[in-house]
Amino acid sequence: SQKIEQNSEALNIQEGKTATLTCNYTNYSPAYLQWYRQDPGRGPVFLLLIRENEKEKRKERLKVTFDTTLKQSLFHITASQPADSATYLCALPRSGGSYIPTFGRGTSLIVHP
Amino acid sequence: EAQVTQNPRYLITVTGKKLTVTCSQNMNHEYMSWYRQDPGLGLRQIYYSMNVEVTDKGDVPEGYKVSRKEKRNFPLILESPSPNQTSLYFCASSFSGLPTGELFFGEGSRLTVL
Repeated sequence: SQKIEQNSEALNIQEGKTATLTCNYTNYSPAYLQWYRQDPGRGPVFLLLIRENEKEKRKERLKVTFDTTLKQSLFHITASQPADSATYLCALPRSGGSYIPTFGRGTSLIVHP
Repeated sequence: EAQVTQNPRYLITVTGKKLTVTCSQNMNHEYMSWYRQDPGLGLRQIYYSMNVEVTDKGDVPEGYKVSRKEKRNFPLILESPSPNQTSLYFCASSFSGLPTGELFFGEGSRLTVL
């Protein structure tokens, strides 16, 4: 069956460091992968989309890599700030020709001042 | 301002009392969807709609109904709510019926069924 795995344990880091979050998937051949940010009790907010033919994408302090051989995406936040504390979700389209995204359960990031 | 609006944001109801959670988007999106989010289970899709009058089941459709009579609105109907439907609900929309683009989410509706 298709699975999207994100680390369920919270990631605690110090302000200024680089946070790296992982999204692994099995039984998918996704045309793209998305990352979202979710604050407690709020709706997820889209951050980045990376396509299967792109190895890396950047947006300000955010960087996403996509390794279709390893079936893994890494999400980096450089120079992290306490305001970056949130849950980060990855999403992939379901297989079988559908573009409807399925979400991982997310990883909580806590940036300490 | 581009947005997805859900109402009500908070609701406490009792078992069996029909309720509707409304969702409206002002971005002329074809695709709309409902999710529920529960601790430890993540976001699970309930129903989705590729366009007006086109709806389909997601992963957890039991106990829910939807309709898409207009492009901008996608209400979620709980005909006979039960306590296991206590959850945080999100409506989302996207530019096309093939949402390779971003999903826009509403602020959420927290439902408690006693």
